[in-house]
Amino acid sequence: ETGVTQTPRHLVMGMTNKKSLKCEQHLGHNAMYWYKQSAKKPLELMFVYNFKEQTENNSVPSRFSPECPNSSHLFLHLHTLQPEDSALYLCASSQVLGQDDRNQPQHFGDGTRLSIL
Amino acid sequence: GENVEQHPSTLSVQEGDSAVIKCTYSDSASNYFPWYKQELGKGPQLIIDIRSNVGEKKDQRIAVTLNKTAKHFSLHITETQPEDSAVYFCAAFIGFQKLVFGTGTRLLVSP
Repeated sequence: ETGVTQTPRHLVMGMTNKKSLKCEQHLGHNAMYWYKQSAKKPLELMFVYNFKEQTENNSVPSRFSPECPNSSHLFLHLHTLQPEDSALYLCASSQVLGQDDRNQPQHFGDGTRLSIL
Repeated sequence: GENVEQHPSTLSVQEGDSAVIKCTYSDSASNYFPWYKQELGKGPQLIIDIRSNVGEKKDQRIAVTLNKTAKHFSLHITETQPEDSAVYFCAAFIGFQKLVFGTGTRLLVSP
């Protein structure tokens, strides 16, 4: 496996269900991200994790709960979602270079297409 | 809030023509600008990037230019091929690790 892998690729769930999205990166990076891509809207940053610690929550509703057990894995736990949460959820990773605060390229997975019934 | 504007939203060219996509950003402190290509059913793929200490960067048929004074940056694709057809996104970092994307340009290259 290379790059950033996301599972499942597609997910249909009811508003009362609980499900989780999974992301794994094989690039040796130490930062991981969740983005939301909706039709006719720019990609929106949701969460940032550095060295397994959450450093950014971009005003995301609590029905989305991220988890980062180690630098290679990232989860997004979903519960009580709304129809407007239907979107493509993208995971990305990058390398944070210690004292160097220059931004580094973010590499994306192919996403999970989520549909809320 | 900080944003990135991208134009045009759609672009149709004949194979072999050039294509130009333009973006503007609002945060004068932004200093790193990646471009992504997204094909149907795939995630965004980084194709080229530029930092604010250079004005132009080329990689084969793709080039990016940056005008920091005007807060403009552009993607240039020469000798377009049908496989260049995709949605292209510009992006700018707002601060550290916060990547803000443009709304995308759907490029269609006709044989």
